[in-house]
Amino acid sequence: AQSVTQLDSQVPVFEEAPVELRCNYSSSVSVYLFWYVQYPNQGLQLLLKYLSGSTLVKGINGFEAEFNKSQTSFHLRKPSVHISDTAEYFCAVMNSGGYQKVTFGIGTKLQVIP
Amino acid sequence: DTGVSQDPRHKITKRGQNVTFRCDPISEHNRLYWYRQTLGQGPEFLTYFQNEAQLEKSRLLSDRFSAERPKGSFSTLEIQRTEQGDSAMYLCASSPRDRVPQPQHFGDGTRLSIL
Repeated sequence: AQSVTQLDSQVPVFEEAPVELRCNYSSSVSVYLFWYVQYPNQGLQLLLKYLSGSTLVKGINGFEAEFNKSQTSFHLRKPSVHISDTAEYFCAVMNSGGYQKVTFGIGTKLQVIP
Repeated sequence: DTGVSQDPRHKITKRGQNVTFRCDPISEHNRLYWYRQTLGQGPEFLTYFQNEAQLEKSRLLSDRFSAERPKGSFSTLEIQRTEQGDSAMYLCASSPRDRVPQPQHFGDGTRLSIL
């Protein structure tokens, strides 16, 4: 079984300030990790992924995330947010076998304040 | 890459009616997934197809729900005798089968509202 915990349901942040959205996961097998963004009334768009290799992964729109195996975390960061980053962000874990089941967290709403 | 397409975008219906949604995956993707997303939650897995074979179904998929992918291309999700609790966003995703794990690509979803 696998699960994802997003510790913050909402994160308000001023424009041009840095932000970190936290994600912790649990799994009994090797996993792959993803962050998706969802704008209102739209589907999910992939921000970045960790499959293997370097633990620091860079994604679109200036976002990056760091995989920490010992802490089972995959926190998302951006050094300077923009108004257009206001959206909901989902952390997801995919198992390494079978049909590659993906489990999502409940999401974190990022609200960028002008 | 034209993306995953879902139709309709919105559906409003009365309780007890049947509804059907369609998903057209990215053309070269042989894996197709259906998810349900309710307010304040992340997407929850419903079912998975590899080509035309339905290989996995969630316990969330009651006997009122049925999904098909007859020719391994587009897929349909039907809900019979809809209930208030079926109100949600239904998302479709697809991915290619590859030796390297591939992320799923999502459509914009069908929002279902039960009156």
